[in-house]
Amino acid sequence: GAGVSQSPSNKVTEKGKDVELRCDPISGHTALYWYRQSLGQGLEFLIYFQGNSAPDKSGLPSDRFSAERTGGSVSTLTIQRTQQEDSAVYLCASTRLAADTQYFGPGTRLTVL
Amino acid sequence: AQSVTQLDSQVPVFEEAPVELRCNYSSSVSVYLFWYVQYPNQGLQLLLKYLSGSTLVKGINGFEAEFNKSQTSFHLRKPSVHISDTAEYFCAVSANAGNNRKLIWGLGTSLAVHP
Repeated sequence: GAGVSQSPSNKVTEKGKDVELRCDPISGHTALYWYRQSLGQGLEFLIYFQGNSAPDKSGLPSDRFSAERTGGSVSTLTIQRTQQEDSAVYLCASTRLAADTQYFGPGTRLTVL
Repeated sequence: AQSVTQLDSQVPVFEEAPVELRCNYSSSVSVYLFWYVQYPNQGLQLLLKYLSGSTLVKGINGFEAEFNKSQTSFHLRKPSVHISDTAEYFCAVSANAGNNRKLIWGLGTSLAVHP
């Protein structure tokens, strides 16, 4: 079946603009995770969704970052007033609830000029 | 809370030589352990995982790892590497209970296999 998909694959934006990153998880996967991969910081957890709720937002770096999930499926990560330090690859992963293996999307490479 | 330390940021090795990529972790709860690989310009791929049982786990592409609870380590090994093994390797842990299985990552080890 189809894997996790993310769009866009690349996004270049100017400092101060808002961006939206989309994740389409594998059908039937209740759990969804966002991670960020940046130079110097490695891979970092951002937020965890269980269905449409987000019981763990502890990794969001600032209040400029927010995310939502609708219909237990698609998730959108929004970054407001982007800064250069937001430049990174944003990864989404999904899995069945409490399952051990996460399935990763190809990522969105965000470049803030 | 959990943390992961990958002891080598870069590992150069010649083709057909053995390699070991080191990973240590700390956690206040029981964890699952993972190694992921990221080939150049590609996404993350699960290499192998330790959940329970035998402490020696085998993964794809001839890789294996050994869980050592007393040393809190999960080192990755391959007896003979190929040029195609050149990639970034990430060690990660997650809690093994509850619904939230967020992964906590090491900073990665860049494996460069030379002819």
